[in-house]
Amino acid sequence: DAKTTQPTSMDCAEGRAANLPCNHSTISGNEYVYWYRQIHSQGPQYIIHGLKNNETNEMASLIITEDRKSSTLILPHATLRDTAVYYCIVRVATGATNKLIFGTGTLLAVQP
Amino acid sequence: NAGVTQTPKFRVLKTGQSMTLLCAQDMNHEYMYWYRQDPGMGLRLIHYSVGEGTTAKGEVPDGYNVSRLKKQNFLLGLESAAPSQTSVYFCASTGQANEKLFFGSGTQLSVL
Repeated sequence: DAKTTQPTSMDCAEGRAANLPCNHSTISGNEYVYWYRQIHSQGPQYIIHGLKNNETNEMASLIITEDRKSSTLILPHATLRDTAVYYCIVRVATGATNKLIFGTGTLLAVQP
Repeated sequence: NAGVTQTPKFRVLKTGQSMTLLCAQDMNHEYMYWYRQDPGMGLRLIHYSVGEGTTAKGEVPDGYNVSRLKKQNFLLGLESAAPSQTSVYFCASTGQANEKLFFGSGTQLSVL
């Protein structure tokens, strides 16, 4: 299973862009990169996912390097409510399963 | 739509007692999952199901059993609770492989 490496914690000023890196150097060609976040003991919330191309939605942008060995989640204008643990996950597809294996994530603290 | 509903939200057990956690989803999803999260840790997959009547082991299945008798429900059982099973339990579901997971709000379980 491909594993991910993320910094333990990061700070970001309110209103600025938050850039969260993730390393997944052993990713396979058919594995997707997913991002979820967890706000203080709530259930994780889906943010975005991608395979090869950069993706953008109403919450964030996902930039995947050309060799797919790393990616960056971008929150364009961080707010205090974005303070959470952010998980970068490589989806493991085994047969018909859709297992998501979580790591320890990055604690993003948005400062006023 | 209620989404993914977990019951109960809190429970305290004595060592050796048994209990069942219920996860219900109203989105007609095929895939359902049970995770546990210990303090300061990421989520770990206990068991999952790819459809009604099917179950499979995840990363940490020992001490737990599951059943998926109805498509909308996924039950997690502890036959003989141990203090090591003190954790927050999250249920999740998704409709198709590659789609995002929807999580419940969690069950806080303490085993004394």
